[in-house]
Amino acid sequence: GENVEQHPSTLSVQEGDSAVIKCTYSDSASNYFPWYKQELGKRPQLIIDIRSNVGEKKDQRIAVTLNKTAKHFSLHITETQPEDSAVYFCAASKTSSNTGKLIFGQGTTLQVKP
Amino acid sequence: EAGVTQFPSHSVIEKGQTVTLRCDPISGHDNLYWYRRVMGKEIKFLLHFVKESKQDESGMPNNRFLAERTGGTYSTLKVQPAELEDSGVYFCASSHNRVEQYFGPGTRLTVT
Repeated sequence: GENVEQHPSTLSVQEGDSAVIKCTYSDSASNYFPWYKQELGKRPQLIIDIRSNVGEKKDQRIAVTLNKTAKHFSLHITETQPEDSAVYFCAASKTSSNTGKLIFGQGTTLQVKP
Repeated sequence: EAGVTQFPSHSVIEKGQTVTLRCDPISGHDNLYWYRRVMGKEIKFLLHFVKESKQDESGMPNNRFLAERTGGTYSTLKVQPAELEDSGVYFCASSHNRVEQYFGPGTRLTVT
């Protein structure tokens, strides 16, 4: 069935370093790829997304890249700050479907050390 | 604009009891989703409403779970009778276009 693999499961970086989280999806018909950030005790927050007609998207210190051929996409955070510490989830969906349900990766716990 | 709200934030019940979770979507969002995260694993889709109709309930684990969205506004998810494996965090999300989905804070359910 449809699945999304996410790596690594945990990531620890020093403040100011970059962090990269990678996801691979199985359904080639997937065309929408959001990333969610969940801080401790809070709701998953949509931080950036990319559609399959675009290879890269940036928003300040975060960027997402998509390789449709290889069926993988990545989240890049530059100049990390302690407030970036959270669990990050990638997901994939098919906007052509009648539901748009999200298939999530397993999550990455990012720790940014001051 | 108020975000998605869920009630209760936590629920602890005994095996065999019944629990009802509530979700209030963002006003005007016809699409409402339920998801669940169990034991630190991935967030998994349960079902999708468009207004009051169930569009996709392929993720519902079994017939102990019943979701409703009467009137097409808020939704409830009832678990009856609850089993130990039902413990987890239940998320609700809403969307105006079935693409961007906005999540609630979740209900942490513990079945003892």
